[in-house]
Amino acid sequence: NAGVTQTPKFQVLKTGQSMTLQCAQDMNHEYMSWYRQDPGMGLRLIHYSVGAGITDQGEVPNGYNVSRSTTEDFPLRLLSAAPSQTSVYFCASRVQGGLSNSYGYTFGSGTRLTVV
Amino acid sequence: QQPVQSPQAVILREGEDAVINCSSSKALYSVHWYRQKHGEAPVFLMILLKGGEQKGHEKISASFNEKKQQSSLYLTASQLSYSGTYFCGTDASSNTGNQFYFGTGTSLTVIP
Repeated sequence: NAGVTQTPKFQVLKTGQSMTLQCAQDMNHEYMSWYRQDPGMGLRLIHYSVGAGITDQGEVPNGYNVSRSTTEDFPLRLLSAAPSQTSVYFCASRVQGGLSNSYGYTFGSGTRLTVV
Repeated sequence: QQPVQSPQAVILREGEDAVINCSSSKALYSVHWYRQKHGEAPVFLMILLKGGEQKGHEKISASFNEKKQQSSLYLTASQLSYSGTYFCGTDASSNTGNQFYFGTGTSLTVIP
């Protein structure tokens, strides 16, 4: 049971490049989400999904796309990287429904992205 | 919609106690607490549901006052391992978690 796996751990992009951050979980969690973490701003929600084929925007969705074709995978795509997207990105998953009263989010180890 | 945490930072000596507060402007269904060590991912500590329930986790406990839309995390007899940044997460929705927001965090440093 690996939990939530994120790749890559580190990435440097040039302005304008695109890339996909990968996230996979093996806990059969319905709910998955992407956060970015910047100094002094805590964790801000980018996009989330409540199940395969269902996604929605969070607080800071601009410049990012997501899709959810399977329960396990929830990739985050940066369309045209900008220096403002330099951040640490975390993927997190959680059970839905009644069990969500007892369990919190499980986070991946994070991707540290630098855009130059 | 982001909950407000206080204090922003606190330094303790081993064995001292601390309280971290989390306040929301919205009616809450639940409150989560997480701890994040430097360079690592946040780790879930506990969840509190509306009903004023207080929970404990070793020497770390928390309370939730749904009427005041506030939660507090209590760390007693602090240990060096308690150092890290503590985040509350507030859920203002009824069952989907779509209105879940993290606070800006409280940096806790325990010194010998």
